[in-house]
Amino acid sequence: SAVISQKPSRDICQRGTSLTIQCQVDSQVTMMFWYRQQPGQSLTLIATANQGSEATYESGFVIDKFPISRPNLTFSTLTVSNMSPEDSSIYLCSAGRSLGYNEQFFGPGTRLTVL
Amino acid sequence: GNSVTQMEGPVTLSEEAFLTINCTYTATGYPSLFWYVQYPGEGLQLLLKATKADDKGSNKGFEATYRKETTSFHLEKGSVQVSDSAVYFCALTLMNYGGSQGNLIFGKGTKLSVKP
Repeated sequence: SAVISQKPSRDICQRGTSLTIQCQVDSQVTMMFWYRQQPGQSLTLIATANQGSEATYESGFVIDKFPISRPNLTFSTLTVSNMSPEDSSIYLCSAGRSLGYNEQFFGPGTRLTVL
Repeated sequence: GNSVTQMEGPVTLSEEAFLTINCTYTATGYPSLFWYVQYPGEGLQLLLKATKADDKGSNKGFEATYRKETTSFHLEKGSVQVSDSAVYFCALTLMNYGGSQGNLIFGKGTKLSVKP
């Protein structure tokens, strides 16, 4: 298994500001993903964080709004830029290994409230 | 495209009742199937999984069988407890070309409340 930590666990931010969320995995993983869970909703994939290259974004999510870094095999960051109240959500990081090991592990999430 | 459909909630049961949460999927290729659970105020935890047809995943008294013929992965538990109150998500993932793991595709979630 893999243990994933996220920082911060929660934050309250002002409209127009940006917040960077950190995701740390306790072992090397191939795949890392960022999801958003809006209040009372399911999880929606924002992007796949690729090590050493640009993230792969899902439809409806763009790099300018959600820049992602993945400098190595155990760490990634997601920035929520120029925030508005509609960005209030739980943001979750997940990680998995490739080549047939198809279980994904989730971090505890970052609960973001934008005023 | 690939998608997961699970029964709408909320579901309210009395303790020791039988639980079924239906989940069906649409997928190109051969997905792996999962049930995740989210307890109040906590993150997402893997409950059980099945990687091929006819596999049965089980954990903590919960079971689900991968039925390719009906494209289903229904979650069952014979006797629920108050501590099982949570939101349950059915999900699938497909391998990418080259064997790397794809992202998870989630159903909308089913909220279960168990009353004493």
